[in-house]
Amino acid sequence: DVKVTQSSRYLVKRTGEKVFLECVQDMDHENMFWYRQDPGLGLRLIYFSYDVKMKEKGDIPEGYSVSREKKERFSLILESASTNQTSMYLCASSPGQGGNQPQHFGDGTRLSIL
Amino acid sequence: QKEVEQNSGPLSVPEGAIASLNCTYSDRGSQSFFWYRQYSGKSPELIMSIYSNGDKEDGRFTAQLNKASQYVSLLIRDSQPSDSATYLCAVNAVYNQGGKLIFGQGTELSVKP
Repeated sequence: DVKVTQSSRYLVKRTGEKVFLECVQDMDHENMFWYRQDPGLGLRLIYFSYDVKMKEKGDIPEGYSVSREKKERFSLILESASTNQTSMYLCASSPGQGGNQPQHFGDGTRLSIL
Repeated sequence: QKEVEQNSGPLSVPEGAIASLNCTYSDRGSQSFFWYRQYSGKSPELIMSIYSNGDKEDGRFTAQLNKASQYVSLLIRDSQPSDSATYLCAVNAVYNQGGKLIFGQGTELSVKP
């Protein structure tokens, strides 16, 4: 089974802090994704990566950056956390570059910015 | 027009009934279609993939795809209270790298005992 592991289930940080969310997958997948999910807004793509050191902006990249130094690890960085970044953050991965494979999700990180 | 549209629900069905969840998509070039189940407070879990026109059955779940009508559906037979969740439809984004999927907003299903 695919295993996507997010470093924290719950995280509380303060406004202005730099926040790191880590995601690791164990299936040698090429593609990795970061989403946030808010009530009534569905899943919104923040960034994705289709290869090591490659990244593409999703629909809502403002206020975020990402890092993919190794194939199995994809990090989401909140450069200066703000209260409107309080949300559920979901990491996902998928194999190949053909776009025909499903994504597999981690358990999510519920982030609160105070 | 939203790229992937689902009835927002909530959809309420009695236990043992058939639940029918619908999804339409806008990009005629889409080739891959997925249904995810998401329990409250949990992450989405893949339950069905479908790539060809017609029906695909897996246990109590049947996915139906009609590319000409740009329509994909999920039927849940003999619905159980444990099926109560939000169901997300996802479609591959055409002309992209990296396996990007477009997700619908989800349909909330409630199965009443």
